[in-house]
Amino acid sequence: DAGVTQSPTHLIKTRGQQVTLRCSPISGHKSVSWYQQVLGQGPQFIFQYYEKEERGRGNFPDRFSARQFPNYSSELNVNALLLGDSALYLCASSLMGGYTFGSGTRLTVV
Amino acid sequence: AQSVTQLDSHVSVSEGTPVLLRCNYSSSYSPSLFWYVQHPNKGLQLLLKYTSAATLVKGINGFEAEFKKSETSFHLTKPSAHMSDAAEYFCVVSDHSGGGADGLTFGKGTHLIIQP
Repeated sequence: DAGVTQSPTHLIKTRGQQVTLRCSPISGHKSVSWYQQVLGQGPQFIFQYYEKEERGRGNFPDRFSARQFPNYSSELNVNALLLGDSALYLCASSLMGGYTFGSGTRLTVV
Repeated sequence: AQSVTQLDSHVSVSEGTPVLLRCNYSSSYSPSLFWYVQHPNKGLQLLLKYTSAATLVKGINGFEAEFKKSETSFHLTKPSAHMSDAAEYFCVVSDHSGGGADGLTFGKGTHLIIQP
């Protein structure tokens, strides 16, 4: 079975630009959550979605938004990129309290 | 509210000796607790999880952890370290009070170094 798939694996953006990151959960998993991992730190919770509805939001500015589609895949959007948004963005799909993470998207803002 | 404290930022052991990574947690409700491992430039891999069943939890690669409610601890151990265990380890807590509204809360990580 395929695990959690994230795309792209790497990308470089310029300050002020917008970026969209994508995540496909494990088949049958209806919940997707997003995390930001800055170099040298633990991941920080950004959003959780379940059945296409936002169920939780971490302490991130409104520049961060997300959505979940009918097939349970998800997108994370970040507007007006700042240098500090450079990080590894991780997606997790979950079922019955178990969380499986994708390999992440490495975003570099220059 | 939930929080987790990993008591050591770095732990160094010799190959073949025991490993102990310490974690204390805070949770308003009965928590779920996890240990994840992250190898360099890799994603997160689940080692084990506690969800209110047996307090001694066995995971992959010989790791285990014991949930001690009285001490609010969930320390990770392994009897004999292997070179391949060198990685970053995260203790994670999730309480269910908000139906997942707070997501998972990660510790800052413990960097495990294995000396040959």
